[in-house]
Amino acid sequence: AQSVAQPEDQVNVAEGNPLTVKCTYSVSGNPYLFWYVQYPNRGLQFLLKYITGDNLVKGSYGFEAEFNKSQTSFHLKKPSALVSDSALYFCAVRPLSGGYNKLIFGAGTRLAVHP
Amino acid sequence: GAVVSQHPSRVICKSGTSVKIECRSLDFQATTMFWYRQFPKQSLMLMATSNEGSKATYEQGVEKDKFLINHASLTLSTLTVTSAHPEDSSFYICSARHSWDEKLFFGSGTQLSVL
Repeated sequence: AQSVAQPEDQVNVAEGNPLTVKCTYSVSGNPYLFWYVQYPNRGLQFLLKYITGDNLVKGSYGFEAEFNKSQTSFHLKKPSALVSDSALYFCAVRPLSGGYNKLIFGAGTRLAVHP
Repeated sequence: GAVVSQHPSRVICKSGTSVKIECRSLDFQATTMFWYRQFPKQSLMLMATSNEGSKATYEQGVEKDKFLINHASLTLSTLTVTSAHPEDSSFYICSARHSWDEKLFFGSGTQLSVL
């Protein structure tokens, strides 16, 4: 079965420190990969995507993610966390062999950045 | 960036009544829209894919007669929860995409509470 795993329910980081939110996937072929962020009682906002090319993808708000094909991972990173980064982060995958446009979401990781 | 407007943001209704949720793409034409359901502290569950001018495609386990989807124009899709019951209480989110881009634009969500 195709799936996306975000192994951490919550990540706690001190402001100014680097952060990593982990994501691994299990799909056939070379999928498209995404990160979205959700603030309380709001819809999701697009952060970044990987389609092809350079494994390091830069996105909104200083976030970046690294695609690792051998480890089937797409971890989200930021060099210096801000309190305002505190939110719920979702990794998503679109398998190319599945129905076009269908995204498979991970369970989400809550990021808490402390002052 | 593209904007997707979802209305209402919150609705409380009595058991047995029907509720309509609107999703509009404000500055682009969305040939495809998606409806998700999100339970507290859980990921998004795709309910159905809505294509303009045709019947929606429902995911396995989603009752199409209960969750009526209409995509009458390139900028509007509606989800009607018919004969709502307390177990239908949830956060519903719509999303839309351009025909030429991979990323989704999400509405701000609708919190449905059925009493």
